[in-house]
Order: sequence, then structure tokens, then C-alpha cells
Amino acid sequence: DTGVSQDPRHKITKRGQNVTFRCDPISEHNRLYWYRQTLGQGPEFLTYFQNEAQLEKSRLLSDRFSAERPKGSFSTLEIQRTEQGDSAMYLCASSSGQEGTQYFGPGTRLTVL
Amino acid sequence: QQQVKQSPQSLIVQKGGISIINCAYENTAFDYFPWYQQFPGKGPALLIAIRPDVSEKKEGRFTISFNKSAKQFSLHIMDSQPGDSATYFCAASPHAGNNRKLIWGLGTSLAVNP
Repeated sequence: DTGVSQDPRHKITKRGQNVTFRCDPISEHNRLYWYRQTLGQGPEFLTYFQNEAQLEKSRLLSDRFSAERPKGSFSTLEIQRTEQGDSAMYLCASSSGQEGTQYFGPGTRLTVL
Repeated sequence: QQQVKQSPQSLIVQKGGISIINCAYENTAFDYFPWYQQFPGKGPALLIAIRPDVSEKKEGRFTISFNKSAKQFSLHIMDSQPGDSATYFCAASPHAGNNRKLIWGLGTSLAVNP
């Protein structure tokens, strides 16, 4: 399967703990996006990478959130000192080319107790 | 303020019927309009997308109609099937360099009765 993969699929953590999620994009895609989706809502943009450069961060991304894409391939999203409001599905998407059709992974469901 | 407004919130259709979902936007910088289908516990999957230079695009049973002057676009699902039961999202992307971040509607939960 050459689609976007995310790990883990589910994460349950206690408030105040740190968590890290991984996204492996489609191999030839140079653009990578993170979105957050809460129940009953559409996804909300968090951040965007072109190759290894993080080019835009949403105001939704507080200083407890950090994302990296060190070699322009996989990406990680870390949340420090998790809060109950961080509970959501975290989605990763990748794209390439001018049209930029985004292909999504299955998401990581985070539950903060 | 919701930049992409989607309606209805939920929709029930009989098998074989036509499902219609509507979206409206305000930002004239949007130039790419995809529709995604999402099943519970899964990531969104692209169904069909359109750019403002065409008024209609059809792929199989799925058709997007686009009205640039009204800033509205809609998804029509012909011959709806129970397997189409899912949440559908419209989205829009502004032309802003290489960042094609998507701005999403709130979704429409579609149920197709057998």
C-alpha cells in the first residue's frame, strides 16, 4: 500500500503527558499537511510543510504543539502537556504538483483523560 | 466565521434517489473546490474536485455543479446506494503560493435507505 500512513491509530493519555504522532506521506509527495478534526466538525488546518520547511502554522497551533519533517519525508507532531481539549482526530495529508490534490491518512485518534 | 457553509447537516435518501449537498463561500481567492467522503474512523477520501473555469464536472455517479457568480457549488450523487452512506465534506483552497491548505465545511451526514 503506497498511501499515507499514520501511527499510532489510537492514543489514550492522561492530562499533562506528552504525545507524539508520526505521518508517512506518499513517497514522491513534497507537501505535507496536518489537520485536526473534532467530532461533528470538518478538519481544521494546523500546519504545512514543503519538503523539510514548515511554511505555515495556524493560530490553532499553540506553543504546546510542534511539528517537524526533518528529511522532507515523514513528519512528527508532538503535543506537550496535553489538555482535554486536545482530544481529537489528527489527520495528515500529502500532495504534489500544481493541483495539489491532498490524500489523507487514516488519522490518529487522541483521547486525553 | 465559517468560510465555507455547507447544507444540509444531514440527509436521508432512498436507494436509487439523488442526493444533493450544497456549499457556499465568500472568499473570491478560492480557486479549487474538492469534495471528500469520510466513513467513521477513517480519513477523508477525495471524491471529485472542480476549478472555477468549468461549471460542471462528472465522474461516474458523482457530479459537481459550480456557480462562480453565486459563489456556490454542489455535489449530486445519482442512483444513491446504501454504500454511499457516509459524511461528505466540501472544501475550498485559496491560491496562495504552494500552500493549498483546505478550508472545510461542517459536513453532511448522508444515510441511504435500502
